[in-house]
Amino acid sequence: GAVVSQHPSWVICKSGTSVKIECRSLDFQATTMFWYRQFPKQSLMLMATSNEGSKATYEQGVEKDKFLINHASLTLSTLTVTSAHPEDSSFYICSASSRLSNEQFFGPGTRLTVL
Amino acid sequence: GENVEQHPSTLSVQEGDSAVIKCTYSDSASNYFPWYKQELGKRPQLIIDIRSNVGEKKDQRIAVTLNKTAKHFSLHITETQPEDSAVYFCAAPRGSTLGRLYFGRGTQLTVWP
Repeated sequence: GAVVSQHPSWVICKSGTSVKIECRSLDFQATTMFWYRQFPKQSLMLMATSNEGSKATYEQGVEKDKFLINHASLTLSTLTVTSAHPEDSSFYICSASSRLSNEQFFGPGTRLTVL
Repeated sequence: GENVEQHPSTLSVQEGDSAVIKCTYSDSASNYFPWYKQELGKRPQLIIDIRSNVGEKKDQRIAVTLNKTAKHFSLHITETQPEDSAVYFCAAPRGSTLGRLYFGRGTQLTVWP
């Protein structure tokens, strides 16, 4: 099956700093990648849809200037949490899908803790 | 209301019994319905999916049924085992973008030995 990696797996940072999370599709070309946020014991909340070579589409209520998304190639999308605050602490998961299918392949997630 | 509603939120069964989780969706144009299993601290894993041109799909102990008229679909796990314990999420398409999904709130399944 398709493999999606995510880096880092966990990160601890100070309030006010920015954190970049990478999502890579290792064995297929991902025309679309998705970024989710998941709080403990809650569902996956879609934050944005990332398309290669174009601007990301953000879901309602998600600040695009706070969560910067770049999809520079068919195998890499990055999420940058800018000026992070403790309330940004969460589990961030990316997923990728190919041009032909609804099926999504999830990365292992990144645990962000902002002190 | 929510675009995908999932019930129950928690489910406890004895090992060997069956477990059923139900989801309803609102968009009649939806045509793809996956189920994911997520263990604590890990990524969601696709366990089975169904497309709108069939009413049932089975894979060993896992099956999914779809009722397009009523707009609901269900996950059935038979002969449950302790390793089936996890959170299960249903999902349905969200708009026309391929892969963009609404997820249900999840069901914490606990299988007691």
